[in-house]
Amino acid sequence: DSGVTQTPKHLITATGQRVTLRCSPRSGDLSVYWYQQSLDQGLQFLIQYYNGEERAKGNILERFSAQQFPDLHSELNLSSLELGDSALYFCASSVGVVRGGEQFFGPGTRLTVL
Amino acid sequence: AQSVTQPDIHITVSEGASLELRCNYSYGATPYLFWYVQSPGQGLQLLLKYFSGDTLVQGIKGFEAEFKRSQSSFNLRKPSVHWSDAAEYFCAVGASYGGSQGNLIFGKGTKLSVKP
Repeated sequence: DSGVTQTPKHLITATGQRVTLRCSPRSGDLSVYWYQQSLDQGLQFLIQYYNGEERAKGNILERFSAQQFPDLHSELNLSSLELGDSALYFCASSVGVVRGGEQFFGPGTRLTVL
Repeated sequence: AQSVTQPDIHITVSEGASLELRCNYSYGATPYLFWYVQSPGQGLQLLLKYFSGDTLVQGIKGFEAEFKRSQSSFNLRKPSVHWSDAAEYFCAVGASYGGSQGNLIFGKGTKLSVKP
């Protein structure tokens, strides 16, 4: 158990819908990362937050957004869902932004868009 | 651009045999390199990491990896594979922004199957 929790574990929804994925980082970790794992793209970085502020963006679609709240939990919002958004979404956390710091991964949320 | 290549999509080894998973990276500066393992239905667990110093690093579960700058490689090895090692293995390089920690850039992964 990494100490990172993600809810829900599974999510099945329809095209055009909007969903919210939630992540609670390890106690004391200030940095949260979101990754998408799909069969064709592999593991791709979406976005990073540090202590409530957006720090870096990767291949995140405009239909997707995220935020980190004062209690440090984070939410990833996916809207106007398409079939291709079906994937495993991971959240990871780290203590800070020191280079080489270990990122601890949650168990992921599996999103299925029908 | 930073990238990681894992040339082998799927490897099958017999239990007790040795294992080497290949990883090549492209990164302009000194890389921060990681190996993660993902068991079915699980998140990613860190096996080991390299930042500097000794080029042979030891990790958990009996794994080790060797950093070779001249070959831009960071191959993962294990002398004797156990059936429980069957999983998918990901090599990653740590990006950085202004010298501080960024995201991980992953290879496509190598799926390891273990024959009894």
